[in-house]
Amino acid sequence: DTEVTQTPKHLVMGMTNKKSLKCEQHMGHRAMYWYKQKAKKPPELMFVYSYEKLSINESVPSRFSPECPNSSLLNLHLHALQPEDSALYLCASSQYSGGDTGELFFGEGSRLTVL
Amino acid sequence: GDSVTQMEGPVTLSEEAFLTINCTYTATGYPSLFWYVQYPGEGLQLLLKATKADDKGSNKGFEATYRKETTSFHLEKGSVQVSDSAVYFCALSDLGGSTLTFGKGTMLLVSP
Repeated sequence: DTEVTQTPKHLVMGMTNKKSLKCEQHMGHRAMYWYKQKAKKPPELMFVYSYEKLSINESVPSRFSPECPNSSLLNLHLHALQPEDSALYLCASSQYSGGDTGELFFGEGSRLTVL
Repeated sequence: GDSVTQMEGPVTLSEEAFLTINCTYTATGYPSLFWYVQYPGEGLQLLLKATKADDKGSNKGFEATYRKETTSFHLEKGSVQVSDSAVYFCALSDLGGSTLTFGKGTMLLVSP
């Protein structure tokens, strides 16, 4: 099984809502990532979890709150978002983190629209 | 810091044409190099990779050779298909870093 599964595929929320994006992998990978991708742009790294601990936070606003409940799951909690946060949110995993990361496996993404 | 530069798109080709998408990189160490592809409405998929100088990555008719002397990893395909229409990202992973550095992406449009 070489899949990274993300839910939901589409999410529409208001600026006062609280919602969560979920990501799951069963490849035994010990590093998981959240990326944000705007249209016609490359993915931008948001967070990295290594062995279930947050290792990188790329100065992401606190309205985005990541959580790694176990080695297979990664959540991104959303609260009080702004319309400019509308984007495709990609989850990825890799066997290791730090040093040569090697190949990242990406999910299909959650397309978020903030009204 | 590390960086990846790839040619601006879109690249527009007719079916069965030859494809080259240029990619050059700057890195302090000896990076691994990747091409990822993103089809419309989907996430990124690894297309091919090379982990050391002179390695050639290949997959689905696409090829790229790790050229240390020119710090390049150009993507080529001899005969493109309409189904190859997508955005292609060149990326590197360096021993000094913790994740991938992406280029800006090149959109490929193939017409019948």
